Amino acid sequence: GENVEQHPSTLSVQEGDSAVIKCTYSDSASNYFPWYKQELGKGPQLIIDIRSNVGEKKDQRIAVTLNKTAKHFSLHITETQPEDSAVYFCAANSGYSTLTFGKGTMLLVSP
Amino acid sequence: NAGVMQNPRHLVRRRGQEARLRCSPMKGHSHVYWYRQLPEEGLKFMVYLQKENIIDESGMPKERFSAEFPKEGPSILRIQQVVRGDSAAYFCASSPSAGGPGYFHEQYFGPGTRLTVT
Repeated sequence: GENVEQHPSTLSVQEGDSAVIKCTYSDSASNYFPWYKQELGKGPQLIIDIRSNVGEKKDQRIAVTLNKTAKHFSLHITETQPEDSAVYFCAANSGYSTLTFGKGTMLLVSP
Repeated sequence: NAGVMQNPRHLVRRRGQEARLRCSPMKGHSHVYWYRQLPEEGLKFMVYLQKENIIDESGMPKERFSAEFPKEGPSILRIQQVVRGDSAAYFCASSPSAGGPGYFHEQYFGPGTRLTVT
């Protein structure tokens, strides 16, 4: 089955800096890669996703890149703000219905 | 536009009791997925249901756990004879329809039910 590795597990940045979170996956058949943001005590919120027919996708300060050959994808957050502080999860699909998640990255943005 | 709703948000059970977790999908969504999150872990898939059908239960423990999504009402995840190891956050997600060859539908998550077994 699919295996998703995510790093770093924690990331501390100063407000205004960029943050990068990286994930690798094992199943070459995976074709959907979402990123979720989870704030304390809340459910995961879908913030951006990318499909295997696209190499990069951007939405304001957030961008995601995908390298199918190397089987890795990354989340880039520019001009970080304190409200970006949360746990971020990457995931990859297994078949039509299942998402396999990484273990998460705790991002702390200091003012 | 209401999102995925789950209740209760917090549930405390003693060992040996039953836990029932409820999930109402987003309006217009007919597919429900249950995931479990252990402390400091990612989410693990448990089961995928459509109305009146279990489509994929490959992530469900073989004993004590069951799920349903009746024609009317919410989806229910039921844990019988709970043990301390069942303490976790249980999340429900929904999507508008099934994916297909080459296409996977986005899944939107509810706020979760945090189960504590004492």
